[in-house]
Amino acid sequence: AQTVTQSQPEMSVQEAETVTLSCTYDTSESNYYLFWYKQPPSRQMILVIRQEAYKQQNATENRFSVNFQKAAKSFSLKISDSQLGDTAMYFCAFKLTQGGSEKLVFGKGTKLTVNP
Amino acid sequence: DVKVTQSSRYLVKRTGEKVFLECVQDMDHENMFWYRQDPGLGLRLIYFSYDVKMKEKGDIPEGYSVSREKKERFSLILESASTNQTSMYLCASRMSGQKGEQYFGPGTRLTVT
Repeated sequence: AQTVTQSQPEMSVQEAETVTLSCTYDTSESNYYLFWYKQPPSRQMILVIRQEAYKQQNATENRFSVNFQKAAKSFSLKISDSQLGDTAMYFCAFKLTQGGSEKLVFGKGTKLTVNP
Repeated sequence: DVKVTQSSRYLVKRTGEKVFLECVQDMDHENMFWYRQDPGLGLRLIYFSYDVKMKEKGDIPEGYSVSREKKERFSLILESASTNQTSMYLCASRMSGQKGEQYFGPGTRLTVT
């Protein structure tokens, strides 16, 4: 079964500090995409960062970076210099190709609170 | 910018009512998706569509149906609403061939009483 596991239901961090959110996944595919999505309170879900499995280099987007360990099937998100606006639910997702169609499989989410 | 809109942010319906949730995207995306989001369960896929009049069941299709008569519009239908369908419903769309990124609407919080 293709699954995504986020083992931390909730986390908190002080403003300006660094926090890492964990994600592991299970797949038999060799080429795939992984994503981190952010859902702020009462706001739209948006893409934070994307990683292509065939790329060894970890993706970065400003203060957001990933630690992609393909052999371990691990895809953690690091947020540096945390800001109050980073408070949100964070979802890890994996793109699944099944029978010619594609869909995303999401983890259950990690609620991140950035404290002033 | 891609824009995905949903017809209502909040909706309250009675048990047994037929409920329509509408989703419209303005970027000519082939693929559209309906999810429900519940605390502790993440996002679960209800139905998706990869073309007009085409649909596929997701992980939890029971109690729901969908309609895609036009490329830009994807409707989720609750034939007879029940209290266990109280949830947040998210619509998303994606262009075929892109690297999997989905664009989400703002969500509809449905309460069935």
